[in-house]
Amino acid sequence: EAGVAQSPRYKIIEKRQSVAFWCNPISGHATLYWYQQILGQGPKLLIQFQNNGVVDDSQLPKDRFSAERLKGVDSTLKIQPAKLEDSAVYLCASSFSFSGNTIYFGEGSWLTVV
Amino acid sequence: AQTVTQSQPEMSVQEAETVTLSCTYDTSESDYYLFWYKQPPSRQMILVIRQEAYKQQNATENRFSVNFQKAAKSFSLKISDSQLGDAAMYFCAYIAQGAQKLVFGQGTRLTINP
Repeated sequence: EAGVAQSPRYKIIEKRQSVAFWCNPISGHATLYWYQQILGQGPKLLIQFQNNGVVDDSQLPKDRFSAERLKGVDSTLKIQPAKLEDSAVYLCASSFSFSGNTIYFGEGSWLTVV
Repeated sequence: AQTVTQSQPEMSVQEAETVTLSCTYDTSESDYYLFWYKQPPSRQMILVIRQEAYKQQNATENRFSVNFQKAAKSFSLKISDSQLGDAAMYFCAYIAQGAQKLVFGQGTRLTINP
């Protein structure tokens, strides 16, 4: 069974530039998550989708971050304009549903903002 | 609000020996799930073990086992016969039944000494 796919794996951009990350969840998983993990910290949930609807985006900095999940499968996370403090690993994860099912993570997209 | 606390920022153990990582959590819920995730330098979060709160029996997965103390709200991970490949950050995580957000602890960095 294929896992959660993410791309690109690594990205270096200058501050004020934009970047987009793509995620393809495990087939059949209705719930998709984007987490931000700053070095030395645990992951922080940015946004959670159930199919193509947003369930929780309370910690998403909406002035610069946006995410969408068209057709309830793939998802894209965009940052525009990027700030130095956005340097982190962006982890995409999916689960069959959000009610206690195990959440499976992708390999992450490393972002460095210089 | 639910919180997860890992009081050991770093741990080390000799290869082939046993090590226990601590985790406590705070919740008013009675139905929930607990997880241990392993994060190697590649930064992918890998599920190690999962425990349902309604189960009294402690979960085990090969060399990994947990000591789940529901009354004490404690969920420790025991790694037996430690191997060099076990070196990683370990995160304890919690999610309530029917809830939307997986809550992570701060992580414990485990070093295996040859």
